[in-house]
Amino acid sequence: GAVVSQHPSRVICKSGTSVKIECRSLDFQATTMFWYRQFPKQSLMLMATSNEGSKATYEQGVEKDKFLINHASLTLSTLTVASAHPEDSSFYICSARDPGQGRGEQYFGPGTRLTVT
Amino acid sequence: GQNIDQPTEMTATEGAIVQINCTYQTSGFNGLFWYQQHAGEAPTFLSYNVLDGLEEKGRFSSFLSRSKGYSYLLLKELQMKDSASYLCAVQDSNYQLIWGAGTKLIIKP
Repeated sequence: GAVVSQHPSRVICKSGTSVKIECRSLDFQATTMFWYRQFPKQSLMLMATSNEGSKATYEQGVEKDKFLINHASLTLSTLTVASAHPEDSSFYICSARDPGQGRGEQYFGPGTRLTVT
Repeated sequence: GQNIDQPTEMTATEGAIVQINCTYQTSGFNGLFWYQQHAGEAPTFLSYNVLDGLEEKGRFSSFLSRSKGYSYLLLKELQMKDSASYLCAVQDSNYQLIWGAGTKLIIKP
C-alpha cells in the first residue's frame, strides 16, 4: 500500500521559534496533500489542502501567515509553524491522496507531536 | 450544511460483535471511508464503500445505504487490540473528505 512519512515525529521547542514539519509520499506521486491538527481526545481538524505547484487552500479560521505550507514537489509538502506558542501544541498529521487509486482514499503519515514551552 | 454523526463512545466485550453506526448529510457523495485510530497514532484505512451493500474484509465489514445516508462498521471476534477510535468520513461532490468526530471503542475482557 501507499506509504507516507512524516518528520520529525516529535518536537519540543520554545515559544517564539519556528518549526518545520515534512511530509513525504514514498512510493507514489501525490498531487494533493492534506494537513490536519488533532488536540487530545478530539477529532481530526483539516487545516489546509496542499496542491503541488500552487498555493495551499486554508480552512476557515486557520491563519495562513502562521501555518505556512509549501508543496514544492510531487512527493514533498512542508508545514512551518511560524513563531509557535504553547496553544499551537498539538498532534499534526499529514495525508496524501494517490491519484492512481480511483477511490480517493487518503494515506496518513505517522504524525508529529509538537510541544511548545 | 454538511454533517456526519457517529456515537461518541461504545463499550464491548472481547470475543463479541459490535456495530458502529454513521449517518451523514453531505453535498454530493463520492464514497464513504472508515478509518481506525489508536491513541497517539495517525489513522489507518479500514474500508471504502461507494455502492449500497456490505463489504467484508476479515473480521471487519462495512455497510452502506446511500438512500438512507447511513453506514455501519461491524467488528467481529473482538480483540483487545481493537480498542481505538473509529472515524467515518464521506467524500463529497468536490472529493473533499468530511470527517465524523469518531467513536471511541472500549473493549473489556
